[in-house]
Amino acid sequence: NAGVTQTPKFRVLKTGQSMTLLCAQDMNHEYMYWYRQDPGMGLRLIHYSVGEGTTAKGEVPDGYNVSRLKKQNFLLGLESAAPSQTSVYFCASSDPGTGETGELFFGEGSRLTVL
Amino acid sequence: GQNIDQPTEMTATEGAIVQINCTYQTSGFNGLFWYQQHAGEAPTFLSYNVLDGLEEKGRFSSFLSRSKGYSYLLLKELQMKDSASYLCAVKDSNYQLIWGAGTKLIIKP
Repeated sequence: NAGVTQTPKFRVLKTGQSMTLLCAQDMNHEYMYWYRQDPGMGLRLIHYSVGEGTTAKGEVPDGYNVSRLKKQNFLLGLESAAPSQTSVYFCASSDPGTGETGELFFGEGSRLTVL
Repeated sequence: GQNIDQPTEMTATEGAIVQINCTYQTSGFNGLFWYQQHAGEAPTFLSYNVLDGLEEKGRFSSFLSRSKGYSYLLLKELQMKDSASYLCAVKDSNYQLIWGAGTKLIIKP
């Protein structure tokens, strides 16, 4: 059982380049999230999805786009990378509908550096 | 605005007990989470409190007081592997998670 898998784990980009981070989960969760984590700050929500075909903006959505074409996948795109987007990106999934706590299950993270 | 406050860093001794505090000011409350995050790794779920009181889970316990906007995570019989960051997060009235910056716990032999 892989849980939540993110690719790539590491990436270095030049300013202005584009890239896509892929998140895949095998727990059949409805909800998926993209966060960024920066030193001295809490996790900040970029975008999230409450089901296949749906996406919504989080706290810091500017400069990012997302797609949820399949329930198990959630893609995060950077159209024109900027140094301010240097960060560690975490994907997470959850399934509040089960009546449990709605805890988030996280991927291992993707470390992105924009030069 | 919404705010979660935790100490930035704490140091404790192996075998001892440590309490990590979290205070919050959010628009509504629908539960509080504690996560553990080892350096370079993903956060992993530790505990969830939605009602006042203490929840015990092995060496870890979590306490909540909704009237005071306060929670703590209590770690007993500290082990070196407990060296990690501990993240407090509150689910607000929109069921969105608001995260604290985390407390880095350093365990010394």
